[in-house]
Amino acid sequence: AQKVTQAQTEISVVEKEDVTLDCVYETRDTTYYLFWYKQPPSGELVFLIRRNSFDEQNEISGRYSWNFQKSTSSFNFTITASQVVDSAVYFCALSEAGFGNEKLTFGTGTRLTIIP
Amino acid sequence: DGGITQSPKYLFRKEGQNVTLSCEQNLNHDAMYWYRQDPGQGLRLIYYSQIVNDFQKGDIAEGYSVSREKKESFPLTVTSAQKNPTAFYLCASSISPLGYTFGSGTRLTVV
Repeated sequence: AQKVTQAQTEISVVEKEDVTLDCVYETRDTTYYLFWYKQPPSGELVFLIRRNSFDEQNEISGRYSWNFQKSTSSFNFTITASQVVDSAVYFCALSEAGFGNEKLTFGTGTRLTIIP
Repeated sequence: DGGITQSPKYLFRKEGQNVTLSCEQNLNHDAMYWYRQDPGQGLRLIYYSQIVNDFQKGDIAEGYSVSREKKESFPLTVTSAQKNPTAFYLCASSISPLGYTFGSGTRLTVV
């Protein structure tokens, strides 16, 4: 069975600080996909990134960066120079590959508050 | 524009009533999903469907039912057997693990 753990329930940082959200996953598959989603107060899930298990390159998109390490089963998310608009709940999720296995397993989320 | 439409946005149910949440997509996605979100518990899978006229139970299917008569539609019925239905419900669709799309959600409250 697959599992995603986000140990940080809530994080608060002052605006312009950097912040890292942790994600640890468990799966028996060798092929899988990892995701990060942002959920603002409106409730809709906003897709941030998808990474497949064969691509361990770190990725940077503007102020966002992701560190994927298979050796520690982690897929951490860093926001650099945080802004108030980054305040939201962030979810890490896992999907196994193959027909019938595409359903997402979510972590419990990390509520991030950026203090102006 | 393509997307997923969930309705209604807010729904109130009396004890003992069945209610149906609507989910429609025009993305031509084969797979559709229903998730339930409770505070501090993340999203949990209720039901999913990979093709028309077929669906599978997720992790918390008890007290819920679904149908998939059309590719575009995947309604969720919350039955009276669901003892704690107050939650935020999200519908999603995908054509593969590479392309999930979520609706804007329905907030259900038992009154």
